[in-house]
Amino acid sequence: EAGVVQSPRYKIIEKKQPVAFWCNPISGHNTLYWYLQNLGQGPELLIRYENEEAVDDSQLPKDRFSAERLKGVDSTLKIQPAELGDSAVYLCASSSSVWGGTGELFFGEGSRLTVL
Amino acid sequence: AQSVSQHNHHVILSEAASLELGCNYSYGGTVNLFWYVQYPGQHLQLLLKYFSGDPLVKGIKGFEAEFIKSKFSFNLRKPSVQWSDTAEYFCAVNTGGFKTIFGAGTRLFVKA
Repeated sequence: EAGVVQSPRYKIIEKKQPVAFWCNPISGHNTLYWYLQNLGQGPELLIRYENEEAVDDSQLPKDRFSAERLKGVDSTLKIQPAELGDSAVYLCASSSSVWGGTGELFFGEGSRLTVL
Repeated sequence: AQSVSQHNHHVILSEAASLELGCNYSYGGTVNLFWYVQYPGQHLQLLLKYFSGDPLVKGIKGFEAEFIKSKFSFNLRKPSVQWSDTAEYFCAVNTGGFKTIFGAGTRLFVKA
């Protein structure tokens, strides 16, 4: 079974530039999460999707961050414009409807963003 | 606010030493508890989980964890670590409704 796939693995951009991250969850997992992981900290939820609906985006900084999951499968997280403080690892995770509410998550390898 | 505290940010052990990583959480309701591990260059993956029942749970690679409800703790243990256990370990607490809070992580380095 293929795991959660994320791209790119690494991205270096200058501040004020846009950046986008892509995630393809495990097949059949209808819940998709984007997490932010700052250096020395644990993952923090940015947004959660149930199929194509964003059901929890309370922690997403909506002035510069946006996300979509148009067909309820893969998802894109965008930052525009990027700021120095956005340098972090952006993690995507997915879960099935059976286990999703329990906290059992399947993670991708993450996208490491460096903003210069 | 709900939080998860991991006692050590960095731990260095020699092979065959015993390991115990502390995890405490602040939430008074029913919880599901997890330890996730991230090996160098790999993704976060589940090490073990506790939903209910026997508070001593066993996971992969000889790891175990004990849930002590009165202490709001879920400490991770392994009797004898190996060099291949070098990784970052995250304690996570699910408080229901898809809300999972992660600790800051503990980086374990095992000397061969």
